[in-house]
Amino acid sequence: EADIYQTPRYLVIGTGKKITLECSQTMGHDKMYWYQQDPGMELHLIHYSYGVNSTEKGDLSSESTVSRIRTEHFPLTLESARPSHTSQYLCASSEWFGGSGEQFFGPGTRLTVL
Amino acid sequence: SQQGEEDPQALSIQEGENATMNCSYKTSINNLQWYRQNSGRGLVHLILIRSNEREKHSGRLRVTLDTSKKSSSLLITASRAADTASYFCATPGQYNFNKFYFGSGTKLNVKP
Repeated sequence: EADIYQTPRYLVIGTGKKITLECSQTMGHDKMYWYQQDPGMELHLIHYSYGVNSTEKGDLSSESTVSRIRTEHFPLTLESARPSHTSQYLCASSEWFGGSGEQFFGPGTRLTVL
Repeated sequence: SQQGEEDPQALSIQEGENATMNCSYKTSINNLQWYRQNSGRGLVHLILIRSNEREKHSGRLRVTLDTSKKSSSLLITASRAADTASYFCATPGQYNFNKFYFGSGTKLNVKP
């Protein structure tokens, strides 16, 4: 079944730890996105990818990094987590270039950094 | 931010009533999309309306778009408790269509 997956769903971690949030999609989409969302607030684009070996930063400055080695996989890494990174991280994918079609979202990873 | 305000920020209605929420944006667009988010989970796409369309229907959803006013509205008719969620509008970037901008959302509560 075509879908988009994120793991872990919840993560509580201490300051200074390195973490990787996983995102995989089985729809063969070239376009993938990472958003950050604080509770009850709007989504902010932090990274996006046009396809394999292509990554761009979004408008919201983020200390995280991403990679796109395979079409289906778009992991996000924080080298040294801080309490200010506490948020929900949403991964999405899209078939269409240019925002012309819908984005499919994963269930999100809720990150808490103590 | 490219995205303007959504209003109301919160809306509470009884089951069976209609719910209307509005979205404003700041730049030229080629389409506008509406999404639903349940309890802080991932978003689900509801409907896409193109800039040359004025109105679009999908089941109990009716979306309008007024490009001259840079605004859109989402109407949910005959609401159900299961419609309780946050609703967001989203538009592509004016200069970079791969960027997507979301509004601040309307939190809808439908009371049974």
